Amino acid sequence: EVKLVESGGGLVQPGGSLRLSCAAAGFSFSSYWMSWVRQAPGKGLEWVANIMQDGREKYYGDSVKGRFTISRDNARNSLYLQMNSLRADDTAVYYCARDSGGDLEYFHLWGQGTLVTVSP
Amino acid sequence: AIRMTQSPSSFSASTGDRVTITCRASQGVRTNLAWYQQKPGKAPKLLIYGASTLQSGVPSRFSGSGSGTDFTLTISYLQSEDFATYYCQQYYIYPLAFGGGTKVEIK
Repeated sequence: EVKLVESGGGLVQPGGSLRLSCAAAGFSFSSYWMSWVRQAPGKGLEWVANIMQDGREKYYGDSVKGRFTISRDNARNSLYLQMNSLRADDTAVYYCARDSGGDLEYFHLWGQGTLVTVSP
Repeated sequence: AIRMTQSPSSFSASTGDRVTITCRASQGVRTNLAWYQQKPGKAPKLLIYGASTLQSGVPSRFSGSGSGTDFTLTISYLQSEDFATYYCQQYYIYPLAFGGGTKVEIK
């Protein structure tokens, strides 16, 4: 089965850190750009970051640049998001998403999401 | 950064209606525009890419059009399972950006 499964969410204090993971299965993980997309409670979708197939290129949204780091381990079929200096407005469901496969960054496949809550 | 603006933000419709949702980009994105459907508590689902290409498995009552800065998503005959929130997304240039969403509610 083709799927993405996120983990690592939870409650963290402002200023703290958290590392999210996304396990991929059922497809050639190393062939695709991968992204993180988040959704604050009751709000719309916000693209966070993405990473090239071999990890050489990475791009970030303005709101997380300098605080979040995206990485991947193709041997483990896994995507990661290291989140530092967390703020209340980082509270959201974080989705892992796979691109189309043609280096066009729309998203064919999504995980179920993991909730990050930043609160004292 | 490109800003994506959807209109309306929400509206009510009845089963069988023809509905149109608009997405406007603050600068041209050619046809690098995708549409997604999201239901409560679920991940988004890709409907359309390339502004007008229907994703495999998506019913033909969904269609997309437009290029440059102005795009539309049309549902020709609204079904009960179509009540959801719809998002556009540009993938022409970084940072990638979504519209604010359009919620289609039951009248």
